[in-house]
Amino acid sequence: GAGVSQSPRYKVTKRGQDVTLRCDPISSHATLYWYQQALGQGPEFLTYFNYEAQPDKSGLPSDRFSAERPEGSISTLTIQRTEQRDSAMYRCASSLKLAGGEFQETQYFGPGTRLLVL
Amino acid sequence: DQQVKQNSPSLSVQEGRISILNCDYTNSMFDYFLWYKKYPAEGPTFLISISSIKDKNEDGRFTVFLNKSAKHLSLHIVPSQPGDSAVYFCAARRLNRDDKIIFGKGTRLHILP
Repeated sequence: GAGVSQSPRYKVTKRGQDVTLRCDPISSHATLYWYQQALGQGPEFLTYFNYEAQPDKSGLPSDRFSAERPEGSISTLTIQRTEQRDSAMYRCASSLKLAGGEFQETQYFGPGTRLLVL
Repeated sequence: DQQVKQNSPSLSVQEGRISILNCDYTNSMFDYFLWYKKYPAEGPTFLISISSIKDKNEDGRFTVFLNKSAKHLSLHIVPSQPGDSAVYFCAARRLNRDDKIIFGKGTRLHILP
């Protein structure tokens, strides 16, 4: 696609419910990142994928958070048993990994999903 | 513990003058630095970057300076234009070590007419 898209753009849920957020990266991009951004803060790393592999999930706040990218393209971020402190903007970004491991530094961000847990 | 710090939450600059946004980092393993710009209701967009082997990188009105000994970098915008009003995020990574990028909290730049 032309850019990174995320859905839904806004999600309001009740405490204890599960939510799943979706990210469609730029089609040629091998690497996909998930970030959590609280109000007035910068994006905080959650996890990332190289194709379908998930080399680093050290930023996931708890085991209630999980992410998948089964076919190396679309990714989902699931938060189980949501808590009010999970309320934030969740951003997805993708970048191009060139052949031979050369790094393409530019990350392209999606518009984000704003999650509100009541 | 903030590894990338932007200590000025906001900055106001007159149109046509120079805007200087500052960023400090604590992790000496960082060797690649990036600046992102963010308009309201949009995701951050990449602006400019610098490798630790350089001390300056210039792209049009935007120049990034890196002082490794001080663990400090700055973004200079000259001349400042109204469209530069946005939030600017400084970010850092360990190139070729992992793919994690650490962001600062951002500085909101207001360009005054």
